[in-house]
Amino acid sequence: DIVMTQSPDSLAVSLGERATINCKSSQSVLYSSNNKNYLAWYQQKPGQPPKLLIDWASTREFGVPDRFSGSGSGTDFTLTISGLQAEDVAVYYCQQYYSTPYTFGQGTKLEIK
Amino acid sequence: EMQLLESGGDLVQPGGSLRLSCAASGFTFSSYGMSWVRQAPGKGLEWVSTISGGGGTTYYADSVKGRFTISRDNSKNTLYLQMNSLRAEDTAVYYCARQDFLYPIDHWGQGTLVTVSS
Repeated sequence: DIVMTQSPDSLAVSLGERATINCKSSQSVLYSSNNKNYLAWYQQKPGQPPKLLIDWASTREFGVPDRFSGSGSGTDFTLTISGLQAEDVAVYYCQQYYSTPYTFGQGTKLEIK
Repeated sequence: EMQLLESGGDLVQPGGSLRLSCAASGFTFSSYGMSWVRQAPGKGLEWVSTISGGGGTTYYADSVKGRFTISRDNSKNTLYLQMNSLRAEDTAVYYCARQDFLYPIDHWGQGTLVTVSS
């Protein structure tokens, strides 16, 4: 199984500042035949189901603000929120869909400082 | 508008059984794979199972293999999860989600709570 490890577990950032969340996979999730990373980021607000923010490591979903960006390849990935807004308080998860079981990271709780 | 509506969550004793349902609307159900993902109280997300659009291919997490069965009825636009030999550690909110094989989850239901306790 591919193990996904996020860091940090929690993060407090001031409004308007940048938040950075890391995700590391125990093996590469880059499929060489199409050069795609099978890595997604989700946002979960309290009492709500998760919401897909970014797939293929860096493709923002329709309607997701452009302050959210994803980067990385192979085994190391980053979710960056530039200019933190109050509504960004949530738990963020990465997930690999390269192979089953489609494992998630443990989550990173983002709060306002 | 696309919707996924789970039902069937309940309080059940250890060793008992339960069947969850997920009614889908707003998209061509049979054209998409579907998954179940669960979240224990205060914990993270755990992928449980995925089924292909036609229902012929399924995958399971080791933690539920042999106890849970995913299925679908494309004539009713409904996804199911039959859960047998339930354990306390199966207590969680179970989310129905649209997910094809080798694709991310692009839509989630609101979830249904399963509590396994005596």
